[in-house]
Amino acid sequence: DGGITQSPKYLFRKEGQNVTLSCEQNLNHDAMYWYRQDPGQGLRLIYYSQIVNDFQKGDIAEGYSVSREKKESFPLTVTSAQKNPTAFYLCASSILGQGAQWVMNEQFFGPGTRLTVL
Amino acid sequence: AQTVTQSQPEMSVQEAETVTLSCTYDTSESDYYLFWYKQPPSRQMILVIRQEAYKQQNATENRFSVNFQKAAKSFSLKISDSQLGDAAMYFCAYRSAIMNYGGSQGNLIFGKGTKLSVKP
Repeated sequence: DGGITQSPKYLFRKEGQNVTLSCEQNLNHDAMYWYRQDPGQGLRLIYYSQIVNDFQKGDIAEGYSVSREKKESFPLTVTSAQKNPTAFYLCASSILGQGAQWVMNEQFFGPGTRLTVL
Repeated sequence: AQTVTQSQPEMSVQEAETVTLSCTYDTSESDYYLFWYKQPPSRQMILVIRQEAYKQQNATENRFSVNFQKAAKSFSLKISDSQLGDAAMYFCAYRSAIMNYGGSQGNLIFGKGTKLSVKP
């Protein structure tokens, strides 16, 4: 079955630690995204990537870093610079558009990782 | 920049009845896509329905339908014959149709969500 996997499901971080959240997809999608979800805030974009070895900051990138060494993988590192990292993190992927347009294909989401700072 | 507003933080419906969730958005683009996602207690995001802005016909998926009013920038979701399994957070989302327009890279812009409860 094709889909997106995220691990771990729950993650605990101590003050000053960096932690890495895994995101893997076998949908052969070029575009991948990281969103953060806080209560009452909806989902906000952290980083996105359209192609291997390239990624761009989203609306709330401060304190986060990513890499895209393989098409299938888009790990997110929450660094100690992120002052309020406790949240639910969702990874998503989609196909790229055609020409200059995005197609209407949906974004597929992983099951998420709940990060808690101790 | 585009914004999405869901003005109803919580809604409640009796099982088998109909409920409508509201969504408005702001954009200067003429071509875009709109989505409704459902997030049940498992927190898995599930696509409910989608709409292309240049199509006037409202999208329908089984018990789910939308009322898309482009001029009013409104995109409401109607759930008919509500079931207990419909209880979830519902998010309205916007996606630009044009690559790189205003910095869009295909990401979704979400509203803050509406929590739907279904009473037996």
